Amino acid sequence: EADIYQTPRYLVIGTGKKITLECSQTMGHDKMYWYQQDPGMELHLIHYSYGVNSTEKGDLSSESTVSRIRTEHFPLTLESARPSHTSQYLCASSDLFDRSGGETQYFGPGTRLLVL
Amino acid sequence: DAKTTQPTSMDCAEGRAANLPCNHSTISGNEYVYWYRQIHSQGPQYIIHGLKNNETNEMASLIITEDRKSSTLILPHATLRDTAVYYCIVFHGQNFVFGPGTRLSVLP
Repeated sequence: EADIYQTPRYLVIGTGKKITLECSQTMGHDKMYWYQQDPGMELHLIHYSYGVNSTEKGDLSSESTVSRIRTEHFPLTLESARPSHTSQYLCASSDLFDRSGGETQYFGPGTRLLVL
Repeated sequence: DAKTTQPTSMDCAEGRAANLPCNHSTISGNEYVYWYRQIHSQGPQYIIHGLKNNETNEMASLIITEDRKSSTLILPHATLRDTAVYYCIVFHGQNFVFGPGTRLSVLP
């Protein structure tokens, strides 16, 4: 089982509020990811990081920002939440030096965000 | 865009083998084939991956054709808890691209 955690699991918040979604992993993985998934739809990569002080934008444009100050921690922030940000946010991590080959990603349980 | 093609949905009787196909005709020689599943919008769960050879683990078997243009994920004895969306992904060195996957329904 993967040791990757996300908090909160559910969040209901009003428009204009600043929110931070937390993601942490205890596997020492270098690479971490944030995906966004609307109900019944595909996962889309919005941010990723190769390691400390590295952040990259994913395939789907997002108004959120991320930081990577510590290897195990990859928080996602929305400065001013809007109803269009309502979605599920999934965090994942992988080992760049995966001995099995490839780069297996392990996912957290997700955060369901509802912006009113 | 996803580089794989999967059926939109499949049914399988409980206790029978579930065979989920995936076409990846443009796969390159160093790209892995990965399978994940997602149950009730939980975080995707890793199942198995392979490069050229067939692979088996405690969850499933992965059969890759000799030309590597297609693969099949086999759940040998499907249970109701295997009902999920199954994603086939080809990957090397970049990031995963998730398509719509196959919605597998295991029926009692």
